[in-house]
Amino acid sequence: QVQLVESGGGVVQPGGSLRLSCATSGFTFNAYGMHWIRQAPGKGLDWVAYIQNNGRKKEYADSVKDRFTISRDNSKNTLYLQMNSLKPEDTALYYCANDRLGIDNWGQGTLVTVSS
Amino acid sequence: SYELTQPLSVSVALGQTATITCEGNNIGNKNAHWYQQKSGQAPVLVIYRDANRPSGIPDRFSGSNSGNTATLTISRAQVEDEADYYCQVWDTSVVFGGGTKLTVL
Repeated sequence: QVQLVESGGGVVQPGGSLRLSCATSGFTFNAYGMHWIRQAPGKGLDWVAYIQNNGRKKEYADSVKDRFTISRDNSKNTLYLQMNSLKPEDTALYYCANDRLGIDNWGQGTLVTVSS
Repeated sequence: SYELTQPLSVSVALGQTATITCEGNNIGNKNAHWYQQKSGQAPVLVIYRDANRPSGIPDRFSGSNSGNTATLTISRAQVEDEADYYCQVWDTSVVFGGGTKLTVL
């Protein structure tokens, strides 16, 4: 059974940092590209970042480029998102997801709130 | 940047056919995917690469993609199909449509 479990969310002041983690199981982690996708309260899906299965290729939404860093540890089956210089508009539920056919499997998300 | 346009809402009578469109420039040249998100839940992939259903997705769900429009069709709509639906493609990056709220009457 595929499982993706996000953690690391919380309340942070503007300009602060957070590191999200996504622990995975039930699939061959090192064979899949992985995404972070967010959803602000009451809003639609907003893609954040992607990392290739071997970690060599990374892509970011313009809104987070130079502030967020996606990474992975294939030995731990875990995906990460380092978020720096956080802004109120980064407030959202952050999902991790794997990519094979489409964006196949999603976690339940971890909530990030940026507020003073 | 590439944009995908979906209707904000679609209504369908129970047992009838719902059609949700996703418009983008030459979207027919890209692989379109569709996701269902029920209230309070994570999204679920319901159609991949234009017209393919993942295992476990009812055959009431189908898709097509040509020209400037990708389409998700839900036949024999059920109450449990009530949800938000999002289209998605890869351009230079991942792009989602704004989402369509499907109401089953």
